[in-house]
Amino acid sequence: DVVMTQTPVSLSVSLGGQTSISCRSSQSLVHSDGNTYLYWYLQKPGQSPQLLIYKVSNRFSGVPDRFSGSGSGTDFTLKISRVEPEDLGVYYCYQGTHYPYTFGAGTKLELK
Amino acid sequence: QVQLKESGPGLVQPSQTLSLTCTVSGFSLTSYNVHWVRQPPGKGLEWMGRMRYNGDTSYNSALKSRLSISRDTSKNQVFLKMNSLQTDDTGTYYCTRSRSLDYWGQGVMVTVSS
Repeated sequence: DVVMTQTPVSLSVSLGGQTSISCRSSQSLVHSDGNTYLYWYLQKPGQSPQLLIYKVSNRFSGVPDRFSGSGSGTDFTLKISRVEPEDLGVYYCYQGTHYPYTFGAGTKLELK
Repeated sequence: QVQLKESGPGLVQPSQTLSLTCTVSGFSLTSYNVHWVRQPPGKGLEWMGRMRYNGDTSYNSALKSRLSISRDTSKNQVFLKMNSLQTDDTGTYYCTRSRSLDYWGQGVMVTVSS
């Protein structure tokens, strides 16, 4: 199975600040169809996860441009700028390239 | 709008079978895949398997021997059945749409306990 390693496990950030989360996969996430199926989600307390970024760098509908994704192959990053209170929660990366699909262990974003 | 809603028993006895239903609206099961994802209390997410738009299924190899996913397109429903439940199967079970997991249900909490 593809192991998704997220770092750090937790982050403390000030409102209005900037931060980033790393996600590394144990295998390249480039699919045979040429796409890289790497996604980012935010799970707010008591809620279902919500899609933020699809295929590495594309913001899902309604996601503010404070969120950006980048990377390639096995190394990916989610950046959050101008952090707002509604950004707090647990962030997960996820790969949909190789079966079984797998998630990172999560990064908890908290207020400093 | 796109909606998914999980339903099923909140409590299952050890060694018994879990049966969950995901009822969808706003899209067709013959056009989109539906996935099942679970989350133990206070822990991370685990992809369980998926029903493809054409009726094919794929399963997490860790669960494959116990898991079955089926559907009834006339009722817009996808079903999950998992047998031989143990206490570590306790958690919230979600259904979600497409490879990108773009829309999620609210989840259903399942407790495995006698």
